[in-house]
Amino acid sequence: AQSVTQLDSHVSVSEGTPVLLRCNYSSSYSPSLFWYVQHPNKGLQLLLKYTSAATLVKGINGFEAEFKKSETSFHLTKPSAHMSDAAEYFCVVSERGSTLGRLYFGRGTQLTVWP
Amino acid sequence: NAGVTQTPKFQVLKTGQSMTLQCAQDMNHEYMSWYRQDPGMGLRLIHYSVGAGITDQGEVPNGYNVSRSTTEDFPLRLLSAAPSQTSVYFCASSTGTVNSNQPQHFGDGTRLSIL
Repeated sequence: AQSVTQLDSHVSVSEGTPVLLRCNYSSSYSPSLFWYVQHPNKGLQLLLKYTSAATLVKGINGFEAEFKKSETSFHLTKPSAHMSDAAEYFCVVSERGSTLGRLYFGRGTQLTVWP
Repeated sequence: NAGVTQTPKFQVLKTGQSMTLQCAQDMNHEYMSWYRQDPGMGLRLIHYSVGAGITDQGEVPNGYNVSRSTTEDFPLRLLSAAPSQTSVYFCASSTGTVNSNQPQHFGDGTRLSIL
């Protein structure tokens, strides 16, 4: 069975400090993993994806994530937060290799950035 | 470069009314899907389609119907609206079906309230 757990529903950081958003997953298949960002009243936008190439994945806006199979984790990081990073972030796993190709979403982490 | 377009953006219905949420994409994507987003729940899959004429149920299909007569359009129908269907609805599309490492492209959502 597939599932995604985002370990923090809310994260608050000061501008200029590092960001860490945590995600653990379980998957019966070789997973593809994604992070999406959602700004208020908008749809979800892809930040980055892991599909079995390099385990350290770089995305847009300075975000990156590291796939750790032994820990079944895919945490999202950014060295220095910006006010514009305030949004909700979703970790997503897909059933790569299955016939359905469905996505499973975490419940989201709301990131607040203080000036 | 429209991407995924959802209409309407906002809608208020009375219990028992029916309506159709429209979704159109101009990227020639085969895979389209509908999600609902509720606070603290992430996104849950309602229905999806892997191509024109082919649809299937997701994890929360009850009370909703879909059809896919063209590659571009994937409307979602509420048969008899209930307050439990108050939510934000997102349509998404992507290339590929079985090879599910492709990112999803999301519309901006339809905010639906059922009184």
